[in-house]
Amino acid sequence: DAKTTQPNSMESNEEEPVHLPCNHSTISGTDYIHWYRQLPSQGPEYVIHGLTSNVNNRMASLAIAEDRKSSTLILHRATLRDAAVYYCILRDRAGANNLFFGTGTRLTVIP
Amino acid sequence: NAGVTQTPKFQVLKTGQSMTLQCAQDMNHNSMYWYRQDPGMGLRLIYYSASEGTTDKGEVPNGYNVSRLNKREFSLRLESAAPSQTSVYFCASSASGFGPLSQETQYFGPGTRLLVL
Repeated sequence: DAKTTQPNSMESNEEEPVHLPCNHSTISGTDYIHWYRQLPSQGPEYVIHGLTSNVNNRMASLAIAEDRKSSTLILHRATLRDAAVYYCILRDRAGANNLFFGTGTRLTVIP
Repeated sequence: NAGVTQTPKFQVLKTGQSMTLQCAQDMNHNSMYWYRQDPGMGLRLIYYSASEGTTDKGEVPNGYNVSRLNKREFSLRLESAAPSQTSVYFCASSASGFGPLSQETQYFGPGTRLLVL
């Protein structure tokens, strides 16, 4: 799986939008971009994934650059419950069975 | 529907002791995984089972053994615990067999915190 680069930490005020960036300059044409998050003292949970087009679900939106070398996870209104470590992970069609977690971005939400 | 459950939640072992971490899923998933997470780091794969009856090594398998007991259950055994195995252990499962792995979601349990003295 290709490598991703994320900032170590970010802060956001409660009820404001948050944009979490991820760089993946070596992404291949068939790699899917996945986001997971890990709340304190819990296991990771799936957030969203996409290939080329922007994606929306009840938790977040995923904006993918036209050249696919970067993506942004968007939380539209941050809540205190969104404070977590967010991981950007690439998965290729060859389908390695494991997820390659980096160190992610630790999001702090300020009340 | 409990998802992925793990027992125990916490465990303290002395060096050289053995123990088995239990994991079960009720989502009828084919694939199951064991990860470890050391402080300040992401998760690393220890072993996985792509389907009932098969197991394969992941990134950090040394010092561990696994058993896929049936479709629901996947256990991780430490035969002779070492302080370097102090970590948080997560079990996960995924459907597999219903499309490319590149689109699959893994579902994680709450973790087992292990301290080896």
